Formats: sequence, structure tokens, C-alpha cells
Amino acid sequence: ETGVTQSPTHLIKTRGQQVTLRCSSQSGHNTVSWYQQALGQGPQFIFQYYREEENDRGNFPPRFSGLQFPNYSSELNVNALELDDSALYLCASRADRGLGTQYFGPGTRLLVL
Amino acid sequence: GENVEQHPSTLSVQEGDSAVIKCTYSDSASNYFPWYKQELGKGPQLIIDIRSNVGEKKDQRIAVTLNKTAKHFSLHITETQPEDSAVYFCAASEGEFYFGSGTKLNVKP
Repeated sequence: ETGVTQSPTHLIKTRGQQVTLRCSSQSGHNTVSWYQQALGQGPQFIFQYYREEENDRGNFPPRFSGLQFPNYSSELNVNALELDDSALYLCASRADRGLGTQYFGPGTRLLVL
Repeated sequence: GENVEQHPSTLSVQEGDSAVIKCTYSDSASNYFPWYKQELGKGPQLIIDIRSNVGEKKDQRIAVTLNKTAKHFSLHITETQPEDSAVYFCAASEGEFYFGSGTKLNVKP
């Protein structure tokens, strides 16, 4: 077990809706990253939060947004859902912004109909 | 940005044989190279990692080698067991992590 938890485990939404996914990092880990993993692909970096501020972002549109809270929890919000947003969403935490070991949660499987 | 390529996409070996998975990367600034194992329905789990100031690292049956000049790194699993069957991902990082597309390893008993 990595100590990183995510909720919910599965979610079904319809196109155009909004969704919030949640992650609880390991205590003391002040960096959290979110990834999108399409079926049969490697994880794609969405963004990273460090001490409650977004400090890096991958090639994802602004309708993907996030929050990080002082209690080591974080959220990924996706607005105006599209069919292609169907994927496994993973959060990963580590102790700092540098090259510390990154620990993944089990993911949230999102299906957009 | 960084581009990580991983080969092969599938690998089938007999129990007890060795398995080798190879990755190349494009950004010379990358200096941390982790390998993850992902089982069905679970998130990726770190199995071994290597930093750019090291050429090889071993942990029991698992080893990773890094060639910075050629920008490639490899995962070696010896004495494979059926429980090694999973999808393996390599990644390269200089802060942000870039993943390969994965290798599905099947170890036949």
C-alpha cells in the first residue's frame, strides 16, 4: 500500500457534465500530481500542485483544474466532460518538488457517455 | 518536451526465464528514471528507480541499467515468476514525469 487513496473508485457521467475526483496524499507529502491514463496507454501528466499552488501543467485544456488543501488532500475538477475524457485518473504524491519517489493511488475510473 | 518510447509492447516468457524491457528518452535534462508495475485495477507501483549519476542498480531479481550518452535505460527481471505478470511502465523525469506506453509481461507457468 502506498498510503495514497482516491475516491470514488468508479464514476459514470454524461457528456457536458462536471466531475470532481478526490485524492488523499501521504502525510507530509506536499506535492501532488494528477495523471490521465487512457486504456492501454501510459499515464499522461495533467498538472502538479506544490503547497496548494499549481506549479506545472501538461498539455490539458483549462477545463481541467485542481485544488490542493493543507490537510494533504486534493481535487481534480473537469468541466464540460467529453467522451474522450473517459480514462483512469491517477493522483501521485511525493515529499517535495524535486526527484523524490512518487507514490500513486489506485485511481478513479471515469466513463463519459 | 520529453518523449519516452518503450519496447516491446508485449512480452511473453516462460517461468524462470529472464525478461528485458527497453526505453529511450529524448531530453538530456531528465535525470531520474523510475520503473512501475501496474496490475489490473490498481495504480502503478514503483519497483525500482535510478538516477543519472548511476549506471546500474539491482534489487534482488530486478535490475535497471542506464546509458546517458545513448539516452536509453532498461529493466531486467531474472528468474521470472507468474506473479511478475503485469504491465510495466518506464518514466523519465527532470521534475515532471513522462511515461512510456507500457509493456504487458506474461509469465507462463
